[in-house]
Amino acid sequence: SYVLTQPPSVSVAPGQTARITCGGNNIGSKSVHWYQQKPGQAPVLVVYDDSDRPSGIPERFSGSNSGNTATLTISRVEAGDEADYYCQVWDSSSDPHYVFGTGTKVTVL
Amino acid sequence: QVQLVQSGAEVKKPGASVKVSCKASGYTFTGYYMHWVRQAPGQGLEWMGRINPNSGGTNYAQKFQGRVTMTRDTSISTAYMELSRLRSDDTAVYYCARELPTVTTSWFDPWGQGTLVTVSS
Repeated sequence: SYVLTQPPSVSVAPGQTARITCGGNNIGSKSVHWYQQKPGQAPVLVVYDDSDRPSGIPERFSGSNSGNTATLTISRVEAGDEADYYCQVWDSSSDPHYVFGTGTKVTVL
Repeated sequence: QVQLVQSGAEVKKPGASVKVSCKASGYTFTGYYMHWVRQAPGQGLEWMGRINPNSGGTNYAQKFQGRVTMTRDTSISTAYMELSRLRSDDTAVYYCARELPTVTTSWFDPWGQGTLVTVSS
């Protein structure tokens, strides 16, 4: 099955930029989606199709994808951004087809 | 607004079955696949399978084949996930999520609020 690897944790000071990576074999050829999950809550879509934002998601959230790494960038980090973040792809050759990353805990210092 | 509302928490004994419901509102229920994803305590997200609410057709992750059954009732816009022969490691929060597809990919939005299933003797 297709494997997506994320760093377990990222720490960032308020107002700074957080970058969360998602590594996978030739992930740049796939579309990557990102979810934010706050403690005790369901995941929420924050970026889809590599770099698009659903309505209601701040412009501070952006995404990129190339080569073997996709990246979710959170600019001007706020305390409310503290959460777990998961990447996800659809891979037709993988079983299962719907694959989630290992997750990254973002801590706002 | 589009919303998925799940049934309440369950406590089951090993070997029993559990059935979780997911009621959809705010969109055409039969127009989008519904997926089930689970999350064990302190762990990541694990895809379990999906159902086509229009046809009733299902696809399950190999890990759950033979133990999971996904169904739907279109008259009340509700999807169900039943997991049988429960074990302690099935203790998790179970989520339903609507699939939004394109030609080359798909993502999940929105998600239900989650249903905690605890398996304990």
